[in-house]
Order: sequence, then C-alpha cells, then structure tokens
Amino acid sequence: DIQMTQSPSAMSASVGDRVTITCRASQGISNYLAWFQQKPGKVPQRLIYASSSLQSGVPSRFSGSGSGTEFTLTISSLQPEDFATYYCLQHNSYPLTFGGGTKVEIK
Amino acid sequence: EVQLVQSGAEVKKPGESLKISCKDSGFYFTNYWIGWVRQMPGKGLEWVGIIYPGDSETRYSPSFQGQVTISVDKSINTAYLQWSSLKASDTAMYYCARHYSSSSSPEYWGQGTLVTVSS
Repeated sequence: DIQMTQSPSAMSASVGDRVTITCRASQGISNYLAWFQQKPGKVPQRLIYASSSLQSGVPSRFSGSGSGTEFTLTISSLQPEDFATYYCLQHNSYPLTFGGGTKVEIK
Repeated sequence: EVQLVQSGAEVKKPGESLKISCKDSGFYFTNYWIGWVRQMPGKGLEWVGIIYPGDSETRYSPSFQGQVTISVDKSINTAYLQWSSLKASDTAMYYCARHYSSSSSPEYWGQGTLVTVSS
C-alpha cells in the first residue's frame, strides 16, 4: 500500500496568511493526487484534482502542485471560511489512501 | 446536478447485520465508479472500497476486505455497503462518492450515513 504522510497535522494561522500543507507519498504516484476540505459536521469537498487542477467553483486562492512523491496545497491568503481540516488522497493505485489530515485553526 | 443520496442513520447492536445505501440521481450510473469512505468519530478519512456498477467489478482496501461487502443494483441506481456481523468498532460515518473513472479521485459525495453500534 502507498502511505501518505501529511504535514503538519495541525496549525494555527491568521486571516490573510499564506498557508502551505504538504503530502509525501511512500512511492511515486505521478500526479494522481487530490486535496479535500472538510468542515466540522460537513461532507468533504474536493478542492484540487490531478495534483494541480482547481475544482470548479473553488476560489483561486487555493492551488496545488507536485508530482511523484511530494505535493503541496497552498492557500494564498487565508479567509475565515477556510478554517477546516484538509486531506490529501492518492489515487494512483489501489487501495486508495488518504493522508492523516491537517487541521487549520484560527490563531 | 449530480446527487448521491444515502440512507438514514442506523443504531444497531453488535452481531447484527446492516446494509446502507447510496442512490445516484444521475442518468449514467453504470458509467462511473462508486466508492465508500469511513470516518470514525473525531478521526480522518479512510478508503473502504469501490465498485463499478457496469459490471460490479469491486476493489477493497485490505483493511476492510472480508469485513464489508460492496454491491450495486443497477435497476435502481443504488450502491450498497453491508456488514454481516457488526462490531462496536464499526461505529462511524460512512460516505459514498462518485469517481469519474477507476483512476480518478471522487468528485461528488453523498451526505453520509452515521452507523452506531452499541449494546
């Protein structure tokens, strides 16, 4: 199985901050990487697919990059509605595997 | 608009069986893949498995293989996740989600079904 190591597991940030979350795959997964946002009590929402493609309707302050084993989700200017937990997911091979999540909290 | 509608919350006792459902309101149910994801209370997302309604090809995470069964009824655009003997550790929210292909990530998600197993 491919292991996805996500960091940090939690972070505090202020509105307007630039936020970067990283996922490392235990082996190469090309660009088969997606990012999801989940707010408390809500359904996960896909933000990014194929490593860097922005999901329709998602604000442009979200961006993704990376290929192979290292991937990054960046929020260019954190907004109040962005405080949530973020997950990466590799879908290069079965079983699909999620990262452990990054909780972004208000500083 | 794509909608995946899941069955309602369930409260069961250990050892009981359960089948939860995920109905796709779309027209092309057999063209996409339906996956299942578990989220235990206060924990992260875990991939359970996936099924292709066109031919019922199914893949499971090793962690769930033999513990659950994923199936589909094409005639009513519905996928299922079932247990033959529930454990307290099965208590979780379960989401279904639609994948465009076997190699894509899930784009559309159901609202979730909360399964509580308690004596």
